[in-house]
Amino acid sequence: GAGVSQSPRYKVAKRGQDVALRCDPISGHVSLFWYQQALGQGPEFLTYFQNEAQLDKSGLPSDRFFAERPEGSVSTLKIQRTQQEDSAVYLCASSSTGTAFPDSIYFGEGSWLTVV
Amino acid sequence: AQKVTQAQTEISVVEKEDVTLDCVYETRDTTYYLFWYKQPPSGELVFLIRRNSFDEQNEISGRYSWNFQKSTSSFNFTITASQVVDSAVYFCALGGANNLFFGTGTRLTVIP
Repeated sequence: GAGVSQSPRYKVAKRGQDVALRCDPISGHVSLFWYQQALGQGPEFLTYFQNEAQLDKSGLPSDRFFAERPEGSVSTLKIQRTQQEDSAVYLCASSSTGTAFPDSIYFGEGSWLTVV
Repeated sequence: AQKVTQAQTEISVVEKEDVTLDCVYETRDTTYYLFWYKQPPSGELVFLIRRNSFDEQNEISGRYSWNFQKSTSSFNFTITASQVVDSAVYFCALGGANNLFFGTGTRLTVIP
């Protein structure tokens, strides 16, 4: 597609429920990032993939968060046993380069998660 | 440690006024990148500019201009002759090895 596509756009989950958020990066982009943006805050880094390899997951807040990109394209961010503090917008981004300093990073519109 | 500070939380201007959004960063890296993004109500982060640490030349793109000063660790963004469509949250970000560190954003409201 022309841009980074994320689904679902909006998700309401009951506390304790598992959720899965999908990201379709720009075709051919090597690097893929997940960010979490709480209300009124800037995005915060969660994890980074270069092709199918997860090179950095230092931003994942707990072991309830898990991300994968098995074929080096589509990625899924899974949150197990959701808590209210997980309520945020989850942004996916991709970049064409796989170097240490990425080229322009393009973001999707985000998945808005509300945990009730 | 990497850090980006956007001291202005909210700014309101009347249409056609010029406005400058401030960004101050901290890093120990000698090579780094600086970015500005626009976030309209739809939520998508729109890429505006990427500048590397070796290039301090100011840049102009239409009504947008950027002033990068390493001596003061600042990367300020000016919109000339603001328009209502410029209303959004603007984020400054510092590029690390594998990710971006964002400031808390400045909400710009342009009043018709």
